[in-house]
Order: sequence, then C-alpha cells, then structure tokens
Amino acid sequence: KQEVTQIPAALSVPEGENLVLNCSFTDSAIYNLQWFRQDPGKGLTSLLLIQSSQREQTSGRLNASLDKSSGRSTLYIAASQPGDSATYLCATSGTYKYIFGTGTRLKVLA
Amino acid sequence: DGGITQSPKYLFRKEGQNVTLSCEQNLNHDAMYWYRQDPGQGLRLIYYSQIVNDFQKGDIAEGYSVSREKKESFPLTVTSAQKNPTAFYLCASSINLNGEQFFGPGTRLTVL
Repeated sequence: KQEVTQIPAALSVPEGENLVLNCSFTDSAIYNLQWFRQDPGKGLTSLLLIQSSQREQTSGRLNASLDKSSGRSTLYIAASQPGDSATYLCATSGTYKYIFGTGTRLKVLA
Repeated sequence: DGGITQSPKYLFRKEGQNVTLSCEQNLNHDAMYWYRQDPGQGLRLIYYSQIVNDFQKGDIAEGYSVSREKKESFPLTVTSAQKNPTAFYLCASSINLNGEQFFGPGTRLTVL
C-alpha cells in the first residue's frame, strides 16, 4: 500500500531564502506525482505535475524533481516571499487514485 | 471562466440529518472525486467517478453516498450513518483517472 510522507511538517524561513520541500513514497509504481499549495480554509491549487517518465518540471520560481527509484520528490522554491506562506502537499497517482502526504506548512518571514 | 465550484461554503448539520454537498465543474473532465480533510491528516478519498453513471467507493465511503447523472455534477450526500462528519470536504476533477487533479474551494461541514 502506497504511503506518502512529507518532512518536515512545518518550516519557517526568512524572506529571500531558497528552500527545498521533501516528499517520499514507498511504491515506485506511480503514474504521476503532483505538488499542490493550500491556503488556510481553501481548496488545493495545483502547482506542478511530473509524469512518471519525467525527471523534473519548472514553473516560475518553482522546480519539482522526481526520482522514482529512490521514492523521492523535491519541490524547490527560489527566492521565497511572504506570499509563499501556505501548506504544500504532494500526491502520487497509482492504479486509480491519488495518495496524499500530510503536507509541509511553510511560513516565510518578512 | 473554467473551474470547479462547491456549495455551500459552510454547512451545519443536526444529528440524524442527511445533507448534500454540491460539486460542479465546467472543465469537461470525465473523472471526479470527493475527499475529506481532517486536521493533521492527509486527504482521504470518499468516492470517485471515472465517467457518467459510474462511481466507485474510496477508502472511507461508509456513511456517504454519491450520484453521477451528469458529466459536470457529482453531489455528495452525508447520511446520518456517518458518525463523525465534521470535516472539510473537497471535490476534484481530472480529464481521466490519474490525470492532473483540480480542486474546488471546499465545503466545511459542522455537526451541531
């Protein structure tokens, strides 16, 4: 059974810092890995989708990598801003559904 | 303006009541999903639908029911059999199963 883990659960960084969020999964037989952002009391916003045949995806200041063999994905955020403060979740898609991690709560301090 | 809408934003239920949460999408997606989110836990799948007139139970379907009579609509009913329904409910859709998922804004359900 797929398990998705995100460590750390919470992170505080000063504005301008580059940072890496981690996501690990136990079953490498995945179709996709998707990163989301969730603001308090809101739905999830899709940030990046990496297909199983891809190694990374980039969107603006965000870069996500995927290493299926080691069961790991990272989300790199460059030059962090206070507006980046949110919870970031990763999810893997398998046979018919997505399995979500519990997220990393990020706070960027001005 | 394409997207997923959920209503209501807040919903209060009395003991023994059934309530229905609405989810509508205009993305022309075939697949739709319902998740439950509790504090400190990841999203858990309640039901999913691959196509109109078809739906399957997820990991925590007990006490819930759904229908998929139209491609754009996937309502969720929380029945009185669900003993702990207070949670944040999220609807999502994707072009097909395992495709990129897009989420609605959520409905917060509270039992009085």
